[in-house]
Amino acid sequence: AQSVTQLDSHVSVSEGTPVLLRCNYSSSYSPSLFWYVQHPNKGLQLLLKYTSAATLVKGINGFEAEFKKSETSFHLTKPSAHMSDAAEYFCVSSGYSSASKIIFGSGTRLSIRP
Amino acid sequence: DGGITQSPKYLFRKEGQNVTLSCEQNLNHDAMYWYRQDPGQGLRLIYYSQIVNDFQKGDIAEGYSVSREKKESFPLTVTSAQKNPTAFYLCASSLRPGQTVDEQFFGPGTRLTVL
Repeated sequence: AQSVTQLDSHVSVSEGTPVLLRCNYSSSYSPSLFWYVQHPNKGLQLLLKYTSAATLVKGINGFEAEFKKSETSFHLTKPSAHMSDAAEYFCVSSGYSSASKIIFGSGTRLSIRP
Repeated sequence: DGGITQSPKYLFRKEGQNVTLSCEQNLNHDAMYWYRQDPGQGLRLIYYSQIVNDFQKGDIAEGYSVSREKKESFPLTVTSAQKNPTAFYLCASSLRPGQTVDEQFFGPGTRLTVL
């Protein structure tokens, strides 16, 4: 069965320091994986997407994620946090057939300290 | 501009009333989705539709109903049977029917409060 686990419900970093948001997935096949960002009272916006091409995926706003099959992980990183990065981040897994489900992680709230 | 619109942004309902949330997209996407988001939780799927005049229940469909009479529109009705309807509701669309590998495009959401 598919599942997505975001290992931290809340991450706090100082402005200018690196960001790491962790996501582990469980699937019997190689899924497609996504990271979305949600600012307060807004819809979700796609940051980046992995679909079995390059394992290192670059997204918008300086974010990137690396697909590691051996570790079943898809962690989101950014070298230097900006105040505008404060938001909720969701890791999402989906499959290749119409029977596959889209599975959302429970979210990680990222806070940025000045 | 292409995108998804949801209206209203805020909605207040008295207990026992039905209420309909609007979702419109001009992206020419086949698939549309409704999610519910509660504080501190991820998104839960209410209903989804892959083509016009067809829709399927998601994980928490009880107390909700939908229609898909036009490709652009996927309204959600929250009925009086929904026991705890206060939540943030998000509509989304994706390009191809049955292709869950496609990214989803989200509307700005409707916050429903039951008084």
